[in-house]
Amino acid sequence: AQKVTQAQTEISVVEKEDVTLDCVYETRDTTYYLFWYKQPPSGELVFLIRRNSFDEQNEISGRYSWNFQKSTSSFNFTITASQVVDSAVYFCALSEAKNSGYALNFGKGTSLLVTP
Amino acid sequence: DAGVIQSPRHEVTEMGQEVTLRCKPISGHNSLFWYRQTMMRGLELLIYFNNNVPIDDSGMPEDRFSAKMPNASFSTLKIQPSEPRDSAVYFCASSKNTGLPKETQYFGPGTRLLVL
Repeated sequence: AQKVTQAQTEISVVEKEDVTLDCVYETRDTTYYLFWYKQPPSGELVFLIRRNSFDEQNEISGRYSWNFQKSTSSFNFTITASQVVDSAVYFCALSEAKNSGYALNFGKGTSLLVTP
Repeated sequence: DAGVIQSPRHEVTEMGQEVTLRCKPISGHNSLFWYRQTMMRGLELLIYFNNNVPIDDSGMPEDRFSAKMPNASFSTLKIQPSEPRDSAVYFCASSKNTGLPKETQYFGPGTRLLVL
């Protein structure tokens, strides 16, 4: 069975610090997709990024960057110069075959608190 | 463009009552997913549809839960009779095509259900 592990339950940083959220996954598929979602205190789930298994280039979007390493089955997320608005729960997810389609298998999430 | 729409946003009911949650997916999306989020179990997939047809309902907890998708723009999740352990946030999500692992799911704001 596929599995997504986010070992960090809670992280607390001071504004402007860099922070990395870890995600480790298990899958037998040779082609798969990984996702990160953000859940701010308001409760909605916001899509951040999608990465496929055959593209190991790191991705950067503003203060956000993602490091995908197939050799260690990790897809870590780094926020540079964190801000209070980054406070949220962040979920890593793996696209998993379910019956004749695909659904998301989510990790338990990492709660990030950024204080002024 | 409108995102996924869910109603109601909040529901408080008494044990034994019927609860109906509603979802309107993003126009043009063929796949619809229902998830439940609790502190103990995190985000769990309950059921998903492709082209209005239920594909996998293995996550539906028990016979008290049922879901329908009568057309491409509407789905319901019904709990009858409701129990206090059903208290959770229920999310609806949609994507273009669940037949592909790469498809991104976009989530609605969720319905926060409290069963007393």
